[in-house]
Amino acid sequence: EAGVVQSPRYKIIEKKQPVAFWCNPISGHNTLYWYRQNLGQGPELLIRYENEEAVDDSQLPKDRFSAERLKGVDSTLKIQPAELGDSAVYLCASSLVTGGPLGTQYFGPGTRLLVL
Amino acid sequence: KNQVEQSPQSLIILEGKNCTLQCNYTVSPFSNLRWYKQDTGRGPVSLTIMTFSENTKSNGRYTATLDADTKQSSLHITASQLSDSASYICVVSEGSGTYKYIFGTGTRLKVLA
Repeated sequence: EAGVVQSPRYKIIEKKQPVAFWCNPISGHNTLYWYRQNLGQGPELLIRYENEEAVDDSQLPKDRFSAERLKGVDSTLKIQPAELGDSAVYLCASSLVTGGPLGTQYFGPGTRLLVL
Repeated sequence: KNQVEQSPQSLIILEGKNCTLQCNYTVSPFSNLRWYKQDTGRGPVSLTIMTFSENTKSNGRYTATLDADTKQSSLHITASQLSDSASYICVVSEGSGTYKYIFGTGTRLKVLA
C-alpha cells in the first residue's frame, strides 16, 4: 500500500514568490493534516481537514497561506508571497479517523522549502 | 498552557547499549500519548500509542511507559542499532474533543559503531 505522497521534495524560491505543495493521503483516510517543522523542532499543525472540510485552521497564517482539499482526497498548500521565515519542512499526514487509537497519523516525507 | 517537554535534547550511545528517553507533559485533559521515530529527511513514523489506562507498550526493541499520575512517559531502546539513529518525538493528544496534538521538540539519538 502506498504511503502519503508529497511533491515536490525540495523547493528553492526567492522571497515574495509564490509556492505550492501537493499531498496525496493514504487511500481511505478521511483526515488530512499539514504541518510545518523547523529545524530541531517538532511539527506544528497548520491545518486539519476532515474530508473536504477544514476543521482546524487556527494556526494557519491566513494572510499568506491557503489550503484546499477538493473532493476530500488530495490537498494543496500554498504560500503567497513567501518570506524568509517560511523556510522549513512542510509535512503532510493522514489518518483513518480523527483522534483515539485509530487516529494514528501517517506522515509523508515532507517538502523542504528554502526561501532566499 | 499545554506543553510537551522531552529530554535529553540529544544523546550519543554506542551500538548495543540501552538508552531511555523522557517525555513530560502538562496536557489536560489527556487522551493518549504516542512516540514517533523520525529519520533524517523523512516524516515521523509511529512507534507506540498508549491511552490513560496503559502503563507500558512494546514494539520490538522499543518499550514505552506511561505514568498518567505524574504525567511522564519514557521510551526505552534495548540493544541499540545503528538504524536507531533518529529523532524521537513524543506527541500527546488532548481529550477535550478538539483532537489537538501537542508535539515535543524531540530527542536526537546518535548510535555509534
